[in-house]
Amino acid sequence: TQLLEQSPQFLSIQEGENLTVYCNSSSVFSSLQWYRQEPGEGPVLLVTVVTGGEVKKLKRLTFQFGDARKDSSLHITAAQPGDTGLYLCAGGGSQGNLIFGKGTKLSVKP
Amino acid sequence: DSGVTQTPKHLITATGQRVTLRCSPRSGDLSVYWYQQSLDQGLQFLIQYYNGEERAKGNILERFSAQQFPDLHSELNLSSLELGDSALYFCASSVYSSGEFTDTQYFGPGTRLTVL
Repeated sequence: TQLLEQSPQFLSIQEGENLTVYCNSSSVFSSLQWYRQEPGEGPVLLVTVVTGGEVKKLKRLTFQFGDARKDSSLHITAAQPGDTGLYLCAGGGSQGNLIFGKGTKLSVKP
Repeated sequence: DSGVTQTPKHLITATGQRVTLRCSPRSGDLSVYWYQQSLDQGLQFLIQYYNGEERAKGNILERFSAQQFPDLHSELNLSSLELGDSALYFCASSVYSSGEFTDTQYFGPGTRLTVL
């Protein structure tokens, strides 16, 4: 069974701080995706990483895919209150569905 | 706005009842996926339809069923509802059904089901 473990589960920081969220699995994934979900809305895709060791940047967000394609991380530089939300990693399941981690709930206080 | 619509936004019902959740995929998308999101389990895949045919099944209970119609909209039917069925139900759509990284899934705003 493919599982994705995310840590930390909750993160509360002050505006301007840096943070890293981790997504780990014992299984190899062909790709991993990161989503952000706000209360009352569906998840929105931020990025897809495909190649082991790949690093992608989206403004203040940096995504990395592990060399063995079993883990990924999301680093946010100088967090802002607008970054508040639930961050989910997801990998492709054997049936074409997405397998999600349970998410990291981020709160950035002004 | 992802282009995926779901109705209703909220649904409150009693145990033992039956409800139907509706999803309209993005224009041009042939695949529809249903997911359940609860506080303890996170987002769990329920079932997928592609161009009217069931393509994959996940952790879907026998009390739940779904279908995709010729106009590609989909309905998720939940029957004999229990308190534990209270959750957010999301529909997602994609162009294909390959599961490849190029096949991005776009999520609707969800239906919040509360079973009392």
